[in-house]
Amino acid sequence: IVLTQSPGSLSLSPGETATLSCRARQHISNNFLAWFQQKPGRAPRLLIYGASTRATGIPDRFSGSGSGTDFTLTISRLEPEDFALYYCQQYANSWTFGQGTKVEIK
Amino acid sequence: EVQLVESGGGLVKPGGSLRLSCAASGFTFSSYWMHWVRQAPGKGLMWVSRINSDGTSTGYADSVKGRFTFSRDNAKNTTYLQMDNLRAEDTAVYYCVRDDDDSSWNHWGQGTLVTVSS
Repeated sequence: IVLTQSPGSLSLSPGETATLSCRARQHISNNFLAWFQQKPGRAPRLLIYGASTRATGIPDRFSGSGSGTDFTLTISRLEPEDFALYYCQQYANSWTFGQGTKVEIK
Repeated sequence: EVQLVESGGGLVKPGGSLRLSCAASGFTFSSYWMHWVRQAPGKGLMWVSRINSDGTSTGYADSVKGRFTFSRDNAKNTTYLQMDNLRAEDTAVYYCVRDDDDSSWNHWGQGTLVTVSS
């Protein structure tokens, strides 16, 4: 299943809201869609799984929504540590990742 | 605490071989599927391979099928990725990942760098 993330990059200020999109070419069953955050030189960190369930220890400013082929990660009240790369991943049919969205400080 | 520690990366010539290891601790290793994921320099994430909990079933990305072999030793709490006939495009950081009960990937190793170059 091919995943397309948009936008490729997002330039925002701390305190603003980031809205990241992940679109699948095929229906993702059981909402098996996850979001990861990655910082330079570090392994990815799981934020959201099952499209909307926050992983352990993830602040509630991170929220996931969507179903079928369209999914969204919303980061409210951006903190300095939130500026990073974000990937969506589907695990309904094998495992594939989107190409990533970079959230940059404006 | 769950820990996954990869090792075995390094510089290898095209056509050469390398074996990566992932040592696990802090959980009942034999109960979990495991994966390898890689990330080429400056690029995105790509799933490479998976193995089921008892090592009887494996799956591979098309780009590595026939060249990579994923195995595990549950007595040693370790997985192995044997990589043969390596190509320049296999150059990447390779991450070991645990597949949790709910199919989420909450535990990753720190990664090991494989460089394929003459």
